[in-house]
Amino acid sequence: QTVVTQEPSLTVSPGGTVTLTCASSTGEVTSGYYPNWFQQKPGQAPRALIYSTSNKHSWTPARFSGSLLGGKAALTLSGVQPEDEAEYYCLLYYGGARVFGGGTKLTVL
Amino acid sequence: QVQLQESGPGLVKPSETLSLTCTVSGGSISSYYWSWIRQPPGKGLEWIGYIYYSGSTNYNPSLKSRVTMSVDTSKNQFSLKLSSVTAADTAVYYCAREVGVPFYNYYMDVWGKGTTVTVSS
Repeated sequence: QTVVTQEPSLTVSPGGTVTLTCASSTGEVTSGYYPNWFQQKPGQAPRALIYSTSNKHSWTPARFSGSLLGGKAALTLSGVQPEDEAEYYCLLYYGGARVFGGGTKLTVL
Repeated sequence: QVQLQESGPGLVKPSETLSLTCTVSGGSISSYYWSWIRQPPGKGLEWIGYIYYSGSTNYNPSLKSRVTMSVDTSKNQFSLKLSSVTAADTAVYYCAREVGVPFYNYYMDVWGKGTTVTVSS
């Protein structure tokens, strides 16, 4: 059973920068896992932010960026806004299967 | 723009079959993958499986024995059946559109709002 691991929680100050990571139990995360990132606020459906490691959707704010970092997929928020407080999920593709990470609860304080 | 809407019973009895439909509006069901994802109360997202518009499927191994997906291109709908449900299947169920270009891009971009299914007698 493949497990995708994220930090359970992170806290950042408004205007600050924070990096969330996404690790695979199978080893190094590469671009071939097509990392996706989603934001979910309470009571809402997830909203897509980043795909294929670093590509932004047309609606993704510029302060969100994706990368590969130290063998993991990473989501960096620069100039964090209060409205960025949410749960963030990564998604990795393993051939035909897809596996979500457990999510990171980001608090803006 | 493309919108997805899940529909189906909100309450299912234990051991019965959960059936949900996702209706695609504002766009065609063709040339995409269509996924089902669920989220138990207070927990994270779990991928259930996908169906390609042509009808090919791929399911989460942990649910494979109980899942069946189908697509009706004439109605722009796709469906999920999950058999032998228990309380552990209580969750918000989402449908999502997925773009897949081999060796280039894979992503889920459009999601339905989700529908809550409770398994209880």
